Amino acid sequence: GVTQSPTHLIKTRGQQVTLRCSSQSGHNTVSWYQQALGQGPQFIFQYYREEENGRGNFPPRFSGLQFPNDSSELNVNALELDDSALYLCASSLNPGLAGGGEQYFGPGTRLTVT
Amino acid sequence: AQSVTQPDIHITVSEGASLELRCNYSYGATPYLFWYVQSPGQGLQLLLKYFSGDTLVQGIKGFEAEFKRSQSSFNLRKPSVHWSDAAEYFCAVGGRNNNDMRFGAGTRLTVKP
Repeated sequence: GVTQSPTHLIKTRGQQVTLRCSSQSGHNTVSWYQQALGQGPQFIFQYYREEENGRGNFPPRFSGLQFPNDSSELNVNALELDDSALYLCASSLNPGLAGGGEQYFGPGTRLTVT
Repeated sequence: AQSVTQPDIHITVSEGASLELRCNYSYGATPYLFWYVQSPGQGLQLLLKYFSGDTLVQGIKGFEAEFKRSQSSFNLRKPSVHWSDAAEYFCAVGGRNNNDMRFGAGTRLTVKP
């Protein structure tokens, strides 16, 4: 399945954070979502074969990397209090498939910014 | 602009009763529609999806959903709810590549014994 680390994280405003995701084996697409408390997930961006393949309405201080070994990272610079949320990654097969193939979600990383 | 509205924030049903969760969407092109379930501390699990064809789709755990283009709706139903169905349910709409998915705010389901 999809795994994420760490499970929980506490950071101070202005700091930088890196969240990690390990995709399901064989999946070449990873998407990241931010889920604030009491809200639905918001699409941050998607990576396909190590290239960004779509981005939601998030500022450039949110960036990502995808590696050939089924792992990926979400980096957030200059943390703000509003960045406190559950961050979910989801992996899937080729986005060219109808509907991009089923997305498999990880359990998320809970980030708290103080 | 694409969006998803789930009008019911919280629904309580008795175990064994039927369930319908509402979802309305706005999307400029052919929508790909999804229902996900999220239990506390868990990621999202796909219940069912609609891309094309038969407008009544069957999913896992006995759930089904009906796509109504004229009403821009994709409501989720289950004929008999089990206590284990208590969770948060999210409706989502996206395009072909899953790279612009929009989720609703969710409906929290409570099941009474």
